[in-house]
Amino acid sequence: EAGVAQSPRYKIIEKRQSVAFWCNPISGHATLYWYQQILGQGPKLLIQFQNNGVVDDSQLPKDRFSAERLKGVDSTLKIQPAKLEDSAVYLCASSKLQGNTGELFFGEGSRLTVL
Amino acid sequence: AQSVTQLDSQVPVFEEAPVELRCNYSSSVSVYLFWYVQYPNQGLQLLLKYLSGSTLVKGINGFEAEFNKSQTSFHLRKPSVHISDTAEYFCAVRANTNAGKSTFGDGTTLTVKP
Repeated sequence: EAGVAQSPRYKIIEKRQSVAFWCNPISGHATLYWYQQILGQGPKLLIQFQNNGVVDDSQLPKDRFSAERLKGVDSTLKIQPAKLEDSAVYLCASSKLQGNTGELFFGEGSRLTVL
Repeated sequence: AQSVTQLDSQVPVFEEAPVELRCNYSSSVSVYLFWYVQYPNQGLQLLLKYLSGSTLVKGINGFEAEFNKSQTSFHLRKPSVHISDTAEYFCAVRANTNAGKSTFGDGTTLTVKP
């Protein structure tokens, strides 16, 4: 079974530029999450999708961050314009819906450096 | 609301020594508890989880954890560590409701020295 795929693995941009990250979850996983992991901290939830719908985006800075999950499969997270404090690893995770005991399956992350 | 506190940010230990990584949580509802491990430049992977039943749970790589409801703790232990256990360890809590979200602690860096 293929794991959670993310791209790009690394991205360096100037502040005020834009960037997009892509995630393909494990096949059949209805729930998809984007987490932000700043150096020295644990992952912080940005947004949670269940199929096509948003379950929780309360911590997403909506003035600059946006995310979508088309057809309930792949997802894209966009930042525009980027700020220095957005430098972090962006982790995508997925989980089953039926019989979901909450285990998350993570991708390897996309490391963003904003200069 | 729920929160997780990992009491030690760094734990250095010698190879073959025992180790305990401490985790306390707070939540207004019943929760599931997890420990994840993150190796350098990789995503997180599940070590073990507590859902219900026996308070002592065993995971991969010889790790185990004990759920203590009265102390709201879920400490991770291993009786004898290896160099390869050097990694970042995260404790997480999730409300046992449909679509409950997982909240993570800030991690403990375990460094195993020869």
